[in-house]
Amino acid sequence: SQQGEEDPQALSIQEGENATMNCSYKTSINNLQWYRQNSGRGLVHLILIRSNEREKHSGRLRVTLDTSKKSSSLLITASRAADTASYFCATDQDSSYKLIFGSGTRLLVRP
Amino acid sequence: EAQVTQNPRYLITVTGKKLTVTCSQNMNHEYMSWYRQDPGLGLRQIYYSMNVEVTDKGDVPEGYKVSRKEKRNFPLILESPSPNQTSLYFCASSPFTVQHWNEQFFGPGTRLTVL
Repeated sequence: SQQGEEDPQALSIQEGENATMNCSYKTSINNLQWYRQNSGRGLVHLILIRSNEREKHSGRLRVTLDTSKKSSSLLITASRAADTASYFCATDQDSSYKLIFGSGTRLLVRP
Repeated sequence: EAQVTQNPRYLITVTGKKLTVTCSQNMNHEYMSWYRQDPGLGLRQIYYSMNVEVTDKGDVPEGYKVSRKEKRNFPLILESPSPNQTSLYFCASSPFTVQHWNEQFFGPGTRLTVL
């Protein structure tokens, strides 16, 4: 079952612009995580936000969580060509120990 | 260097020939997990383990087995592989505790083709 669904599926922006990706989920969660994957490689953890948190920052990344709407957004500011990758959200499901990933947003940052 | 290693990285095999993909982590993590990644479907969890001798099914466990005899190792076993198990497989580990989730560290992936 798909818990997290990212939107949009693909995003193309110019270097220097901001990129926003959204994630929606269906059940109650304890945490939501964002990961980045460069083509065919392993995923790299970006940010973890817990259900009692609303916003978190890490460098050029900003994540928000709205548990009432069951949604999260990832903002990348001042994007660089090196940010080109796929971005996935992941949540636990119904407070289980499973981790459910969405299908991802493919981001292309044009130089 | 803290890492998760997987072997082999690439494997082409035939239907029905048993295979094992190894996963090892050197970070003393409690939580380990296997995922498969298919185009358009994101990552789907196959099995996970909370600690030694504790394993549980993820979303797509059919056709797979795992074991956790030691904390550092979590092999994925395909007893009778079929073509629909052709996929990119990732192992991951995390210093998870019951109270808190933490980031997962991913291995480099194993690309499996079953003919």
